Amino acid sequence: GAVVSQHPSWVICKSGTSVKIECRSLDFQATTMFWYRQFPKQSLMLMATSNEGSKATYEQGVEKDKFLINHASLTLSTLTVTSAHPEDSSFYICSARDLAGARYGYTFGSGTRLTVV
Amino acid sequence: AQKVTQAQTEISVVEKEDVTLDCVYETRDTTYYLFWYKQPPSGELVFLIRQNSFDEQNEISGRYSWNFQKSTSSFNFTITASQVVDSAVYFCALSEAANTGFQKLVFGTGTRLLVSP
Repeated sequence: GAVVSQHPSWVICKSGTSVKIECRSLDFQATTMFWYRQFPKQSLMLMATSNEGSKATYEQGVEKDKFLINHASLTLSTLTVTSAHPEDSSFYICSARDLAGARYGYTFGSGTRLTVV
Repeated sequence: AQKVTQAQTEISVVEKEDVTLDCVYETRDTTYYLFWYKQPPSGELVFLIRQNSFDEQNEISGRYSWNFQKSTSSFNFTITASQVVDSAVYFCALSEAANTGFQKLVFGTGTRLLVSP
């Protein structure tokens, strides 16, 4: 079945540095990628939606200059957390929607646990 | 706007008991999709079931069954003969349809299921 490979699975970084998270769709083309954030014991909140070749659409309250999303190809989307601070520590997970919709509709990456110290 | 409500924050059962997770949703669309996902402690989201709004047949898949009631906007999920490995957080999610396929997923707040031996 469709697979989205997300890397890294966890990362610890110093406050003020930037972190890049990659999501690659394997064996299918991801026209749309959704990026979610999940704080401990909370639900998944959509941060932004990216379509290949165009600018991402950010949800209200999400700083687009802080969370840079690039979807340059049909198989790769990246989220860069710029100038990370401890409050950015969270679980980030991507989700791809493949061209045909497929049985599952969405395929999720395995998530990235970001800790900013 | 879409909204998903999971009123049960946490449920504790003993192994082999049946357990039903409740989900109520709101949407203005006439065509939409409902999902149940399982999130074990490792964090990845595991797809369980998908229900199309235009298909009102309830189904059973192994130990899982679901009850889609359009009239009451409910989409409840039942695990029969629960097992310890079923312990996880369960999310109900809603996606409205669009010409290009599935729209963004909106998640409920999740129900933590604890199955004890």
